[in-house]
Amino acid sequence: GNSVTQMEGPVTLSEEAFLTINCTYTATGYPSLFWYVQYPGEGLQLLLKATKADDKGSNKGFEATYRKETTSFHLEKGSVQVSDSAVYFCALPPDSSYKLIFGSGTRLLVRP
Amino acid sequence: DAGITQSPRYKITETGRQVTLMCHQTWSHSYMFWYRQDLGHGLRLIYYSAAADITDKGEVPDGYVVSRSKTENFPLTLESATRSQTSVYFCASTSGGRNQPQHFGDGTRLSIL
Repeated sequence: GNSVTQMEGPVTLSEEAFLTINCTYTATGYPSLFWYVQYPGEGLQLLLKATKADDKGSNKGFEATYRKETTSFHLEKGSVQVSDSAVYFCALPPDSSYKLIFGSGTRLLVRP
Repeated sequence: DAGITQSPRYKITETGRQVTLMCHQTWSHSYMFWYRQDLGHGLRLIYYSAAADITDKGEVPDGYVVSRSKTENFPLTLESATRSQTSVYFCASTSGGRNQPQHFGDGTRLSIL
């Protein structure tokens, strides 16, 4: 079945640094791919999504491109802020269903 | 306000007691889910539901019971709480369809002493 692997954290960056959080997937076909963010004390929120190969999802300065050839969906941001400190989850459906499989999460800490 | 709400936000109880976590959504989404989040295990699916009166087991269903008599509500019951069920519980919903995201509540932090 489908699966997702994301880099372990924590990732610690200074404000305005460039961010990359790696996510790779194994999938049958071309499922939609998602990035979720969880701020302290809150539930997960959809950050961005891509529904087909070569799609780029973007939101709040974050971007991720659905790359079929490398089976990757890496999350990037050009200049992080302290307010971006959170846990980030990569996710995809396990099969053709409406369920989701989540990666283990990557904690990002941005220092002033 | 439209959205998905969980109650209570925090709960402390004792081993052996029954406790029910509530989840309510106002979007009329067909699909609802319960997850638990633990350090080292990420998010794990407990139960899910495709519609009223249709529920199914997820990855870690033992010790939990769900019901869905109305589309908007999906309560999760721990019939006899154990310390291993201390966790943060999240409810989520989606309208379905492969491109649709899940929407999450803010969670219930449950401690079992």
